[in-house]
Amino acid sequence: NAGVMQNPRHLVRRRGQEARLRCSPMKGHSHVYWYRQLPEEGLKFMVYLQKENIIDESGMPKERFSAEFPKEGPSILRIQQVVRGDSAAYFCASSSTRGQDEQYFGPGTRLTVT
Amino acid sequence: AQRVTQPEKLLSVFKGAPVELKCNYSYSGSPELFWYVQYSRQRLQLLLRHISRESIKGFTADLNKGETSFHLKKPFAQEEDSAMYYCALSSSNTGKLIFGQGTTLQVKP
Repeated sequence: NAGVMQNPRHLVRRRGQEARLRCSPMKGHSHVYWYRQLPEEGLKFMVYLQKENIIDESGMPKERFSAEFPKEGPSILRIQQVVRGDSAAYFCASSSTRGQDEQYFGPGTRLTVT
Repeated sequence: AQRVTQPEKLLSVFKGAPVELKCNYSYSGSPELFWYVQYSRQRLQLLLRHISRESIKGFTADLNKGETSFHLKKPFAQEEDSAMYYCALSSSNTGKLIFGQGTTLQVKP
């Protein structure tokens, strides 16, 4: 089991471009969480998804950010019209059950907006 | 409001010294608390959770509901313990984690 996979590991975008971050959960896991870590800060929850459903998006910025977890394929975090303030490390985690179970983290995607 | 506070950004100790990484939380309800660790060039991984009451790599953490604390302790630090440590609280409904800002533990030889 390769664990949670994220790609790309590093992504550079110019202001105004779109960023697409991918997360493949561990085999058998159907619950995906996205977290963002801004410089010098801890991880902040963004969104929780199950297959084809967004369960909790209370941490997502209201504009430009969206997430999906289709029936087939990885979960995608999409950031439209990126700004410098979006530069951060984005982590994905997966778990096998809903609730207070252990979450397994991916290596993260470091987004740099120039 | 749900919040996790780790007051120390950096904790530096000598090998063999006791270690205590502080964590305080604010949560209305029955919290589920975790310590996650990130070693250099590795991904974030679970160290221990309060519900399991285990000792992992010599670390223990006791939930003190009166003081709303979940401090991480180890009696004798080892150099390989050097890492970033995050205290986290889990929301009972969805399992989303609320993290503290993290404490870098540096164990000097």
